[in-house]
Amino acid sequence: SQQGEEDPQALSIQEGENATMNCSYKTSINNLQWYRQNSGRGLVHLILIRSNEREKHSGRLRVTLDTSKKSSSLLITASRAADTASYFCASYQTGANNLFFGTGTRLTVIP
Amino acid sequence: NAGVTQTPKFQVLKTGQSMTLQCAQDMNHEYMSWYRQDPGMGLRLIHYSVGAGITDQGEVPNGYNVSRSTTEDFPLRLLSAAPSQTSVYFCASSYRQGASYGYTFGSGTRLTVV
Repeated sequence: SQQGEEDPQALSIQEGENATMNCSYKTSINNLQWYRQNSGRGLVHLILIRSNEREKHSGRLRVTLDTSKKSSSLLITASRAADTASYFCASYQTGANNLFFGTGTRLTVIP
Repeated sequence: NAGVTQTPKFQVLKTGQSMTLQCAQDMNHEYMSWYRQDPGMGLRLIHYSVGAGITDQGEVPNGYNVSRSTTEDFPLRLLSAAPSQTSVYFCASSYRQGASYGYTFGSGTRLTVV
């Protein structure tokens, strides 16, 4: 399988806390992307980080990338109940020229 | 601007039946793809297209056919449905195949094969 894996599989936090999700992938990449999926809906693109970048910010999102460890993390600061969703990392693999998704982290933010 | 539109939203098929899942985008995106989503498996790539008239296989292409006669449409055909094809199917598009573009997803088709 060309998929990566995410950790943890599920995460439950209180509103206002920070949430951190981790992603590992298998092969060399051009970029890594994070997506959100609300229950019963399609995926929504959140942020893209290129292989030559180490950290990127977008609003309350902070993404890091460590290509030597083939891993990435997504930090959501000051979480809100509306952040409750599944979060997927997706690696754009060099040569394959397609996006391969991890298995996702289910985040629950308790009001 | 509708984005990516998938129809139908739900479908129940009997084993052996055939059907076509429709996908249309109005963003003039060159790249389109089909994924299936199964519990614990994430999303797996079925087929993709880098432009009208060009298609290729992904990770799990068996049992599915695609064609791309126009930029806008990318239908997925199940030739003879099997229970293993019970899944949620997502169509996605991107400006073009390349390392700089995020994907826009449709809302999915939930397919049950009995």
